[in-house]
Amino acid sequence: ETGVTQSPTHLIKTRGQQVTLRCSSQSGHNTVSWYQQALGQGPQFIFQYYREEENGRGNFPPRFSGLQFPNYSSELNVNALELDDSALYLCASSSLQRAHEQFFGPGTRLTVL
Amino acid sequence: KQEVTQIPAALSVPEGENLVLNCSFTDSAIYNLQWFRQDPGKGLTSLLLIQSSQREQTSGRLNASLDKSSGRSTLYIAASQPGDSATYLCAVPINAGGTSYGKLTFGQGTILTVHP
Repeated sequence: ETGVTQSPTHLIKTRGQQVTLRCSSQSGHNTVSWYQQALGQGPQFIFQYYREEENGRGNFPPRFSGLQFPNYSSELNVNALELDDSALYLCASSSLQRAHEQFFGPGTRLTVL
Repeated sequence: KQEVTQIPAALSVPEGENLVLNCSFTDSAIYNLQWFRQDPGKGLTSLLLIQSSQREQTSGRLNASLDKSSGRSTLYIAASQPGDSATYLCAVPINAGGTSYGKLTFGQGTILTVHP
């Protein structure tokens, strides 16, 4: 059984650029959730994908978008980066039937200059 | 809108001490509450999950209690060790609806340091 992996580990971008973060779900999991964790804060829910469709969204603007692929890997895309987007981005995978059992990846640290 | 608060924000204790971390939430209509551990710069590891029908859960030296009516949960760590040093986060579903599966609202965490 493989765990949740995320890439890249670290990323530095400048304001206005676009970024794509990737997540590979745990084997057998069809649901992925993305979170943003600013320094010193708890994670904030961005959105969830189930079977390639968005299945709920937190209080984030449309420039945060996502994709889920048939193999259940996932991407988080952020357009027009702002300084406040600097954070640790976490993905978590689960099966919808046991959604409370989420397995988190190690995160991608995004720095926006 | 569900809000979660954790007290204290940071805690430093000597090895061997028993300690309690607190979590409060504003909407008591939750169907579960989870406690997570996060090591610096890392992802989250689930420690304990308490269903709404339960009052407490235990795993090794960890014991979590849940009082839905008062909107509170506590995480008790017995005989603390330096390896317990980490940030501890509690989380509840975003809202009371069935569509909240896997969508969590987190507290800001308690940073625990256990010194030898």
